[in-house]
Amino acid sequence: DAKTTQPTSMDCAEGRAANLPCNHSTISGNEYVYWYRQIHSQGPQYIIHGLKNNETNEMASLIITEDRKSSTLILPHATLRDTAVYYCIVRVRLGRDDKIIFGKGTRLHILP
Amino acid sequence: NAGVTQTPKFRILKIGQSMTLQCTQDMNHNYMYWYRQDPGMGLKLIYYSVGAGITDKGEVPNGYNVSRSTTEDFPLRLELAAPSQTSVYFCASSSLGVSNYGYTFGSGTRLTVV
Repeated sequence: DAKTTQPTSMDCAEGRAANLPCNHSTISGNEYVYWYRQIHSQGPQYIIHGLKNNETNEMASLIITEDRKSSTLILPHATLRDTAVYYCIVRVRLGRDDKIIFGKGTRLHILP
Repeated sequence: NAGVTQTPKFRILKIGQSMTLQCTQDMNHNYMYWYRQDPGMGLKLIYYSVGAGITDKGEVPNGYNVSRSTTEDFPLRLELAAPSQTSVYFCASSSLGVSNYGYTFGSGTRLTVV
């Protein structure tokens, strides 16, 4: 699986857009980009995923560069409840090798 | 719809004791996973299973065993507990397919070995 690089921590003011970057320069053509977050000590929560097109859902938007070597998760109007560790993961959705390996993630602090 | 259910939520073990962490899902997912998370660290994959009767080792399998006799259940067995196994254990499930929204995680089992 391709590895990802994320900043260790980031701050964002409440009400502003939080933009979380992720580098995955060795991503393969059949690997998807997934984002999860973990609030305090809860189980990780799925946010969004994409292959090569930009994606949007009720939680966030995912922007993937044309060469697919990096992506950005956007939380459009961050609230205090968005304070969490955010994990960017690349995943091959293929048979017996379908597993997610978590990195260290980005600790996002939403400031009041 | 309960999703992924883990029991117990908390447990204290003495060194050398054994226990089984239970995980069950009611979403008919084929894929199930066990992760551990040490304090302040990320998640490490222990074992995973792509279907009943099939299990594979993850990143940190030593000291653990798993079985998958049914689609719903994926218990994690600790034999001869050691202080290094003090951690929070998360079970997750997933299903390949068009409507795959990623993994669904349980709420975790917090284990302390003393």
